[in-house]
Amino acid sequence: AQSVTQLGSHVSVSEGALVLLRCNYSSSVPPYLFWYVQYPNQGLQLLLKYTTGATLVKGINGFEAEFKKSETSFHLTKPSAHMSDAAEYFCAVINSGGYQKVTFGTGTKLQVIP
Amino acid sequence: NAGVTQTPKFRVLKTGQSMTLLCAQDMNHEYMYWYRQDPGMGLRLIHYSVGEGTTAKGEVPDGYNVSRLKKQNFLLGLESAAPSQTSVYFCASSKDRGRVNEQFFGPGTRLTVL
Repeated sequence: AQSVTQLGSHVSVSEGALVLLRCNYSSSVPPYLFWYVQYPNQGLQLLLKYTTGATLVKGINGFEAEFKKSETSFHLTKPSAHMSDAAEYFCAVINSGGYQKVTFGTGTKLQVIP
Repeated sequence: NAGVTQTPKFRVLKTGQSMTLLCAQDMNHEYMYWYRQDPGMGLRLIHYSVGEGTTAKGEVPDGYNVSRLKKQNFLLGLESAAPSQTSVYFCASSKDRGRVNEQFFGPGTRLTVL
């Protein structure tokens, strides 16, 4: 069984401050991990993904995430928040076999304060 | 390419009424999915399909039926709508099981059941 836990359903940061959104996973097989972003009244779009190889993954809009197997974590970071980053962010884990069932976290809403 | 499109965007139903949500993708993807999104619960998989003519149950299939008669279309049906089915519904698609692929999402259908 696989699961994802996102700590903090709401996170507020000041514009220009560091963004840190936390994600911990559990998986019985080597996981593939994703971060998706959802802007208001839109569908989800992929920010970045980790499959194999380098554990620091860079995505769009200046976001990056680091896969830490020992901590079972895949936290999302951005050095300097921009107003346009205000959105809801979902961490997701996928199994490495079968039909690629994706399990999503419950989401973290990011508020950026001017 | 339009990507993943969903019809309709909004719908209000009365309890007991039926309706069909249509999802279409023009990326020649094998896999298609229907999710529902409810506050604080993330995305939950209703049904999915791994190819034309095939469907399978996800986490929360009760009260819904699906069909995949054509590769590019995935229909979600509610035979007798209930207030508990008030939600935002997202369709997604992904390539195939050959490698780990991201899911591409439609813009969503906001359904209210009175």
